[in-house]
Amino acid sequence: QVQLVESGGGVVQPGRSLRLSCAASGFTFSNHDMHWVRQAPGKGLEWVAVIAYDGSYKFHADSVKGRFTISRDNSRNTLYLEVNSLRAEDTAVYYCAKDQQDSWGQGTLVTVSS
Amino acid sequence: QAGLTQPPSVSKGLRQTATLTCTGNSNNVGDQGAAWLQQHQGHPPKLLSYRNNSRPSGISERLSASRSGNTASLTITGLQPEDEADYYCSAWDRSLNVWVFGGGTKLTVL
Repeated sequence: QVQLVESGGGVVQPGRSLRLSCAASGFTFSNHDMHWVRQAPGKGLEWVAVIAYDGSYKFHADSVKGRFTISRDNSRNTLYLEVNSLRAEDTAVYYCAKDQQDSWGQGTLVTVSS
Repeated sequence: QAGLTQPPSVSKGLRQTATLTCTGNSNNVGDQGAAWLQQHQGHPPKLLSYRNNSRPSGISERLSASRSGNTASLTITGLQPEDEADYYCSAWDRSLNVWVFGGGTKLTVL
């Protein structure tokens, strides 16, 4: 069955960086676009970024443009999110999701705090 | 980036029918429809309906999705206690090249 497992979250100071990973299995990863979506504590879902199945296009939300970068390694069946210049408002659970949002990981928590 | 509009809360009685709505514009919901997701507290979202209104495998037939113009709807019949959750709609916005979500509707089953 489809499995998505995020990792890389943690507590980080404002202005620092992290790289989040999402390991995929149970489907042909290289055939599917992938998303990152985040959810701040007690808040709704916020789309962060999408990458084409072959990496040919990437789109990011305005709120993270220039600070976050989505990428993928199809040889490793892994999706990434490079998060830089972190702010308090970036504190959230970060989920990876398959193209039609029909599969989601359990999420990884990023806490930005001094 | 403007999101989709959902009512913050809906309350219905056990075994009643709830209809949740999601309003966007011609570039998102009106273009290719909206997906519907359910989220229980402390869990990741779960897809209930694709943008074309079809249900993924394993989703109850008590749920049905539809669209009229720029408004998508999710109807849940025979409400059960386990239907109490947050419900989100989402759609691709072709003019902005972003996925947009609704703010979510908290469904309470009385």
